[in-house]
Amino acid sequence: GDSVTQTEGQVTVSESKSLIINCTYSATSIGYPNLFWYVRYPGEGLQLLLKVITAGQKGSSRGFEATYNKEATSFHLQKASVQESDSAVYYCALRGAMLSGSFNKLTFGAGTRLAVCP
Amino acid sequence: EAAVTQSPRSKVAVTGGKVTLSCHQTNNHDYMYWYRQDTGHGLRLIHYSYVADSTEKGDIPDGYKASRPSQENFSLILELASLSQTAVYFCASSPGTGMAETLYFGSGTRLTVL
Repeated sequence: GDSVTQTEGQVTVSESKSLIINCTYSATSIGYPNLFWYVRYPGEGLQLLLKVITAGQKGSSRGFEATYNKEATSFHLQKASVQESDSAVYYCALRGAMLSGSFNKLTFGAGTRLAVCP
Repeated sequence: EAAVTQSPRSKVAVTGGKVTLSCHQTNNHDYMYWYRQDTGHGLRLIHYSYVADSTEKGDIPDGYKASRPSQENFSLILELASLSQTAVYFCASSPGTGMAETLYFGSGTRLTVL
């Protein structure tokens, strides 16, 4: 089946420094999956941060960016300058290509907890 | 204001007991989902529903039942709770399964089975 791997369980970054959270995926369905980043702030539910449905495209939101790299099967999340308010758990997710068996659900990574230090 | 509300926020249950987790959405969405998350693992789909009075099995349905009595409400039922079902449970809703549909999540229920 589909899978999403986030290698870092926790990342600590100083405020105003750059950030990269790694995400790689494996999709068994024919065609290209849709890719997502969700974020969970303390005490809240997951919410969509950004999404990219076309391979090679970049998504951006709130200063975060992620590029859909189909050759490397990666979708790393980056931000040039983090703020303390970015402290949260970030989840990479995949939805299988249309007409695939996994199109009607999301497959999530384990999440990466980001701590931004002042 | 929250569009997806879960109750309770946390619960302690005894092994072999019955547990019901509730979810209510005001998004007017057709699809609702139950996920569980274990420490160090991603969210895994338990059950989902795309219409009232009908539910579908997700990836890990064993030991769980689901009920969708109305478009707004979706419950997860553990008839005989076990230690292995200790986890955080998330409910979500979405308009449908169109390309890149966004899921809207509740804030989660932390279940501890002793």
